[in-house]
Amino acid sequence: GAGVSQTPSNKVTEKGKYVELRCDPISGHTALYWYRQSLGQGPEFLIYFQGTGAADDSGLPNDRFFAVRPEGSVSTLKIQRTERGDSAVYLCASSLMSVENEQFFGPGTRLTVL
Amino acid sequence: GQNIDQPTEMTATEGAIVQINCTYQTSGFNGLFWYQQHAGEAPTFLSYNVLDGLEEKGRFSSFLSRSKGYSYLLLKELQMKDSASYLCAVRDGWGGGATNKLIFGTGTLLAVQP
Repeated sequence: GAGVSQTPSNKVTEKGKYVELRCDPISGHTALYWYRQSLGQGPEFLIYFQGTGAADDSGLPNDRFFAVRPEGSVSTLKIQRTERGDSAVYLCASSLMSVENEQFFGPGTRLTVL
Repeated sequence: GQNIDQPTEMTATEGAIVQINCTYQTSGFNGLFWYQQHAGEAPTFLSYNVLDGLEEKGRFSSFLSRSKGYSYLLLKELQMKDSASYLCAVRDGWGGGATNKLIFGTGTLLAVQP
């Protein structure tokens, strides 16, 4: 079956603009995670959804970042008033809960803020 | 605080064995993961330890000592395609409303030479 997909694969925007990044998890996976990875670093946790609700959003850096998962499947990460420091690869992962240990990662969206 | 340490870079020879160490200090613990990440690609799952001891999976083995906050990944019969970054990650909690996020180290970049 299909893995986690993310669109777009690359996004270039200007400082101050608004961007949306989309994640399609593996069908049937109830848990969905967003991470951010800067060059030479490991992924940094942003937010975790269990179903439609955000179970843990402690990793969101500030109120410019927001994520939704209205129907418990596709998720959108929204960044307002982008800054150059937001440039990174944004990774989405999904997993089954309670049984499956592994988080399956998507290919990521490379965001560049000019 | 949350702290995961692993060497930044390692070099090994094709056909040899290499051990990548990881030490961690986290507020919660419910499992340690190793992921492989080739340049420009998503992390892919290698191994999972939640109890002390060694887990073997083909050419890859992973060890955990919870009392020492220590893990290692052992790669045998190295191949050129094993050149990648190896990420150590601790799961901060378990289901039932608690967070299930992964806290990653910065990764160890392994270069396999002929």
